[in-house]
Amino acid sequence: ETGVTQTPRHLVMGMTNKKSLKCEQHLGHNAMYWYKQSAKKPLELMFVYNFKEQTENNSVPSRFSPECPNSSHLFLHLHTLQPEDSALYLCASSQVGAGTYNEQFFGPGTRLTVL
Amino acid sequence: GENVEQHPSTLSVQEGDSAVIKCTYSDSASNYFPWYKQELGKRPQLIIDIRSNVGEKKDQRIAVTLNKTAKHFSLHITETQPEDSAVYFCAATETGTASKLTFGTGTRLQVTL
Repeated sequence: ETGVTQTPRHLVMGMTNKKSLKCEQHLGHNAMYWYKQSAKKPLELMFVYNFKEQTENNSVPSRFSPECPNSSHLFLHLHTLQPEDSALYLCASSQVGAGTYNEQFFGPGTRLTVL
Repeated sequence: GENVEQHPSTLSVQEGDSAVIKCTYSDSASNYFPWYKQELGKRPQLIIDIRSNVGEKKDQRIAVTLNKTAKHFSLHITETQPEDSAVYFCAATETGTASKLTFGTGTRLQVTL
């Protein structure tokens, strides 16, 4: 696998379920991101991790819980979601720091439907 | 924080015509401005970027211009083709930090035959 991968690609869940989205980057980057993309708010940043530390939480509800065990893996744990949380969830990675330009590489996304 | 505005939200052009998408940003510290293309059902992909030390950059049929004084930058696509149909996002950030990319709201470009 190359680039940024995400699993699953599609997920349907009920409001009482607990599920997790997984992202893996094979680019040696030190920063990873979760975005939500819906028709109403394209590319809405949710979380930023830099060297495994969370540096940004963009006022995301607590029913979304990120986890970054190392700089190559990023998870998004979901519980008691609402139908309005249905969207495409995109993971991205980049190299940040002095002399870098923060070019972000995106994964294919997980299409989430909450019933 | 940074705020990026993008116009128009939709754009329809005939094949062979040019298309221009414009963005403005608010943070004068921003110095890196990438453009992403997202085809239907696919992931956003970087197509061109510009850094604040240049005013224009060109790559075949696409070009980007930057006016730092006015805080706006634009994407120009010439000789449009049907495969250019997609959603285009501009973004801005200050490099060298762990700061986020701030994206515009996107422009849906439709190239008609």
